[in-house]
Amino acid sequence: RKEVEQDPGPFNVPEGATVAFNCTYSNSASQSFFWYRQDCRKEPKLLMSVYSSGNEDGRFTAQLNRASQYISLLIRDSKLSDSATYLCAVTDSNYQLIWGAGTKLIIKP
Amino acid sequence: EPEVTQTPSHQVTQMGQEVILRCVPISNHLYFYWYRQILGQKVEFLVSFYNNEISEKSEIFDDQFSVERPDGSNFTLKIRSTKLEDSAMYFCASDPGAETNYGYTFGSGTRLTVV
Repeated sequence: RKEVEQDPGPFNVPEGATVAFNCTYSNSASQSFFWYRQDCRKEPKLLMSVYSSGNEDGRFTAQLNRASQYISLLIRDSKLSDSATYLCAVTDSNYQLIWGAGTKLIIKP
Repeated sequence: EPEVTQTPSHQVTQMGQEVILRCVPISNHLYFYWYRQILGQKVEFLVSFYNNEISEKSEIFDDQFSVERPDGSNFTLKIRSTKLEDSAMYFCASDPGAETNYGYTFGSGTRLTVV
């Protein structure tokens, strides 16, 4: 089983729709959880840290389910500029980031 | 906003040559990392560096790789005797400290092409 798994997509979504990403992780000792966004041939950029209580930043909501070992990202009212690959990352016991392979999102006008 | 700076943005080298990729992490950060991403594949951890020494390295980081922080600001990745399969984007990242939930800040990467 892969350490961090994501649906590779691509997700083709009309502008204005709501889109949800899920990510599962295998290491129950993982401590920190993140969503990154990566544009084509660019560096990953931190989108959100994910907290146990869940957190929201504008149109973006992240949630963590420790019991089921998954995190989610919800994007509401999607914009064309949201088109990117969304990477899930969790830390191992040494606080090293373990990455998912990413989910590609394509927002269509 | 503080940035991690990487140079060069693109490096083309012949197989067997040595390359040095350079990074200037954010000044008050304590942990530094190198990652690579082969085109179309996932981001892979190479090495982490703290207190002027390697704190962890992956199995990818074999004897052809080395890192150093020669002057307290630059953080370099050296690849000796490059191979075709070393072609990838190499990202440097820095982190203010362990046990934080701030995430890493990545540089814009160096695209290494080995021909």
